Amino acid sequence: EPEVTQTPSHQVTQMGQEVILRCVPISNHLYFYWYRQILGQKVEFLVSFYNNEISEKSEIFDDQFSVERPDGSNFTLKIRSTKLEDSAMYFCASMGNWANVLTFGAGSRLTVL
Amino acid sequence: QKEVEQDPGPLSVPEGAIVSLNCTYSNSAFQYFMWYRQYSRKGPELLMYTYSSGNKEDGRFTAQVDKSSKYISLFIRDSQPSDSATYLCAIREAGNNRKLIWGLGTSLAVNP
Repeated sequence: EPEVTQTPSHQVTQMGQEVILRCVPISNHLYFYWYRQILGQKVEFLVSFYNNEISEKSEIFDDQFSVERPDGSNFTLKIRSTKLEDSAMYFCASMGNWANVLTFGAGSRLTVL
Repeated sequence: QKEVEQDPGPLSVPEGAIVSLNCTYSNSAFQYFMWYRQYSRKGPELLMYTYSSGNKEDGRFTAQVDKSSKYISLFIRDSQPSDSATYLCAIREAGNNRKLIWGLGTSLAVNP
């Protein structure tokens, strides 16, 4: 069964450092998403991406965040200068053109020290 | 009022019990209703998907949508220890807006 793949599974970084989280969506999907989940809290929408541009972003997705689809298969989330409160699980998800449900990756756990 | 409300639990039941999980929502424009299951340290996985009102059954799982009350339910029959997970409702509007609005998730423990 097709799946969304995320790397790394866990990253530990120092506050202020840049982090790039990588995702390989399902190959024929057209809509891509990043969500995050702080431990014990709700899954929160960060950003959606379609047709090589951001289609929607939340208040959380401020100037320190960016997304890119550099090569037609990978979908990356960059956090420019990490803060302690960025510690969370980051989930990538993708959706096909005619579907209405998201398929999630296993997540990347980010720990900012 | 929050867009989606879900009791976080935790809910603890004996094996074989019938489990009822619920969400309420405020926006009548919501048309797509989903239940995701999330095991510890894993991504959410789709369990049930319903469009508009009505019931949908898949094995031991039944999803119900009551749009008049803005209330959705997930029932698990003959619950098993392997059903122990967090269950999240997710809802979205019709049309091109594909952003999901999530409930907090209900933590379920099924005890053998």
